[in-house]
Amino acid sequence: DVQMTQSPSSLSASVGDRVTITCRASQNINNYLNWYQHKPGQAPKLLIYSASRLQSGVPSRFSGSGSGTSFTLTISSLQPEDFATYFCQQSYSTRLFTFGPGTKVDIK
Amino acid sequence: QITLKESGPTLVKPTQTLTLTCTFSGLSFNSGGMGVGWIRQPPGKAMEWLALFYWNDDQRYNPFLESRLTITKDSSKNQVVLRVTNMAPVDTATYYCAHTVDVLTGRFDHWGQGTLVTVSS
Repeated sequence: DVQMTQSPSSLSASVGDRVTITCRASQNINNYLNWYQHKPGQAPKLLIYSASRLQSGVPSRFSGSGSGTSFTLTISSLQPEDFATYFCQQSYSTRLFTFGPGTKVDIK
Repeated sequence: QITLKESGPTLVKPTQTLTLTCTFSGLSFNSGGMGVGWIRQPPGKAMEWLALFYWNDDQRYNPFLESRLTITKDSSKNQVVLRVTNMAPVDTATYYCAHTVDVLTGRFDHWGQGTLVTVSS
């Protein structure tokens, strides 16, 4: 089964900062990687799918890259509403979808 | 506009069976490739995929939990129901219902807000 890891587990940043989060898979998953944003008490929100495709309605400051086993989510200029937890999900193995543990982004 | 909402008990006792209902709107099981499934998140831990019911009536389960899970669909009520047998304290989690728009990407593009289920005697 594909194990997903993320780094860092948390980070502190300021409005306007460029933020990069890394997700790694335990095996090659091609580009079957999705990114989500999750705020407490709310429904998770899909940001990026297929590693680099921006979900409809998501601001362009969010971008994704990578393939194989290493992926990144970048927020080009952090906004107040972006403070949240971000997690990745692999969909290469439809036998078992797996998720990363999450990266919490909070205010510096 | 797709919406999903989870409902069910907030507290169950060990060994009991949990039944959760996902009531949805704005989506159709006539759309090829789509599915509605369940994902949970124990406190402080990662999301864990549980089950999916696809447009073609195919049902998929987390292989590590499959023996305890049953997912069903009631199109007349716009509902997908998950049953989890033999609940234990480790099953304490927020349970989410989610829509996947296509089999190819496996992305969950709409989620419910989740419902916290606590397992305790």
